[in-house]
Amino acid sequence: AQTVTQSQPEMSVQEAETVTLSCTYDTSENNYYLFWYKQPPSRQMILVIRQEAYKQQNATENRFSVNFQKAAKSFSLKISDSQLGDTAMYFCAFMIIQGAQKLVFGQGTRLTINP
Amino acid sequence: DAGITQSPRHKVTETGTPVTLRCHQTENHRYMYWYRQDPGHGLRLIHYSYGVKDTDKGEVSDGYSVSRSKTEDFLLTLESATSSQTSVYFCAISPGQGIGGNTEAFFGQGTRLTVV
Repeated sequence: AQTVTQSQPEMSVQEAETVTLSCTYDTSENNYYLFWYKQPPSRQMILVIRQEAYKQQNATENRFSVNFQKAAKSFSLKISDSQLGDTAMYFCAFMIIQGAQKLVFGQGTRLTINP
Repeated sequence: DAGITQSPRHKVTETGTPVTLRCHQTENHRYMYWYRQDPGHGLRLIHYSYGVKDTDKGEVSDGYSVSRSKTEDFLLTLESATSSQTSVYFCAISPGQGIGGNTEAFFGQGTRLTVV
């Protein structure tokens, strides 16, 4: 079974600081994607960044970057120069890309950016 | 925005009554998912579908059934609603791994279900 664990239920930082959200996963599969989704108070789910397991280079999207450690099954999200609009729930997710393409999420981390 | 619609958006129902939630997509995506979101538990997978009439159970499938008779619709049914099924339900769709290798899931706006 595939599981995703986010060990930080809540985090809080000051605006402009850098923050790192942790995620670990468990799988015996080799071909998969990892995602970070953001859920603001509007409840909308927004893709922040994705990483293909076979790519060793860490994905980056503007102020967002990941540290993907495949052997350790770790996938952390770093937010640089944090902004008030980054305040949201953040979910780590894992998708097998063969067969039925199961998509599993972690418990979420509530991130608050303080002015 | 991906064409995905959940209905109803809000529902209050009584314990023991059947309830069906609908997820409708206009993207012709192969994969569809139902999740429930509860505080402290994140998004938990209920059922998912990898094609018409092809479905499988997720981690919290007890008390729920699904059907997918056509590509665009994925129905979630609570046969006899209980208070523990009070939650926010999300539907998601995904095209699968496309040209260039990228894929992602697109989400509906959610359905808030209250069982009293």
